[in-house]
Amino acid sequence: DAGVTQSPTHLIKTRGQHVTLRCSPISGHKSVSWYQQVLGQGPQFIFQYYEKEERGRGNFPDRFSARQFPNYSSELNVNALLLGDSALYLCASSLVGGGYTFGSGTRLTVV
Amino acid sequence: ILNVEQSPQSLHVQEGDSTNFTCSFPSSNFYALHWYRWETAKSPEALFVMTLNGDEKKKGRISATLNTKEGYSYLYIKGSQPEDSATYLCAFEDSGYALNFGKGTSLLVTP
Repeated sequence: DAGVTQSPTHLIKTRGQHVTLRCSPISGHKSVSWYQQVLGQGPQFIFQYYEKEERGRGNFPDRFSARQFPNYSSELNVNALLLGDSALYLCASSLVGGGYTFGSGTRLTVV
Repeated sequence: ILNVEQSPQSLHVQEGDSTNFTCSFPSSNFYALHWYRWETAKSPEALFVMTLNGDEKKKGRISATLNTKEGYSYLYIKGSQPEDSATYLCAFEDSGYALNFGKGTSLLVTP
């Protein structure tokens, strides 16, 4: 049974560019969450989507946006990239009221 | 921003030693407390989801306790093995949709 899959695994972008990260949840999971982890810190909550609706948003600027598709997969978009956006971006899927299963992340480097 | 503290920051033990870590979190608006095990280059692995004050959970040699009134949880590893080497993260959930992570405890078990 496939777990949470994220793509790409690594990418390098230049300051000011835009990036799209993708996540496919576990089959049957309708909720997808996004987290950012910078070195030395725990993951920080960015968004949660359930049934294509945003359920919650963390303390991130409007440059960060996301959406969820009818098949429950999700995209995280970041505009006008800054050096400080360099991080590991984790996606997690869940059943409502259940635990969260994480993917192995996308490592974004902004140069 | 909810303050979730983990201690110690890192720990180095010998194979066979037993060890424990602490996670402290806000004692108000409690929904659930999660423990994850995270090995380098892999996805965080869910260990426990704890919801009730006084909960004790066990998975093999690993166990956890929860005190929601005073806002702390302990994770215990009995007879540590080299394969237990990982970062152990706790996450406080107050809303049902966002995990607030600590910085983690990095455990190294040497033969």
